[in-house]
Amino acid sequence: GESVGLHLPTLSVQEGDNSIINCAYSNSASDYFIWYKQESGKGPQFIIDIRSNMDKRQGQRVTVLLNKTVKHLSLQIAATQPGDSAVYFCAEISGGGADGLTFGKGTHLIIQP
Amino acid sequence: ETGVTQSPTHLIKTRGQQVTLRCSSQSGHNTVSWYQQALGQGPQFIFQYYREEENGRGNFPPRFSGLQFPNYSSELNVNALELDDSALYLCASSFDRYSGANVLTFGAGSRLTVL
Repeated sequence: GESVGLHLPTLSVQEGDNSIINCAYSNSASDYFIWYKQESGKGPQFIIDIRSNMDKRQGQRVTVLLNKTVKHLSLQIAATQPGDSAVYFCAEISGGGADGLTFGKGTHLIIQP
Repeated sequence: ETGVTQSPTHLIKTRGQQVTLRCSSQSGHNTVSWYQQALGQGPQFIFQYYREEENGRGNFPPRFSGLQFPNYSSELNVNALELDDSALYLCASSFDRYSGANVLTFGAGSRLTVL
C-alpha cells in the first residue's frame, strides 16, 4: 500500500548547526503535509504544515520544503537547540481527511553539545 | 484552555482481556481521532468520531471500537486483546472534521502492555 516514509532513522547534529530532516511520500493524491515533533513520554506536537499548492513555508526557526515532482518533503531547523531533541514525523492527508493522517516512521534528532 | 487528557497513562492486560481507554478533548473541539503507535513506529489511524458517530476508520478490525459522548469526550475499546495490541494509544482532537485545515491536538497517550 501507499505510505509515507523517512530516509534516516537517526540524525545527529551539533548544537547551533542547521538540521534537515527528509521525508518521501508515495501517495500522489496527498494534498496536505504536516511535521510533528514527539518528545519522550509526550504526544506528537504540531510544528508546521504545507499544502500541495505551495513549495515552501516558513515558521519560527523552521522551514518546510515540498517537491511534488519527486514526492519529497523536508523540514529544516535553523540553529538547532538542545530542546529540539525529539523524534520528528512527517504526516500526510488526502481528500476529506476521513482516512486520518498517514505518518512516517520518524527520525530521531540528537543534538550534540 | 485545557489540552487533551488521556487515562490511564499506563496499564497492563493479559491476552484475551478487554480494555477501555478514555480521552477528554481540548475545549471547543468536537472531533476526536484515535491512533495506535507501536514502539519505534509512527502513529497509525484507528478511527475518527464527529458528533458521536464514526466518521472514518483505518485498517483495524472490529474488535477496536469507540464512543464519543455529548461532551465530546471519547473512549476506545479493544476486545480480545492480542500481544500485538501492545502500543501507545493516542487521542487527538480538532475543531470540526479533519479536512486538512484543522490542527490536531494530541494527548500524551495511554501505554498498553499485553502479556
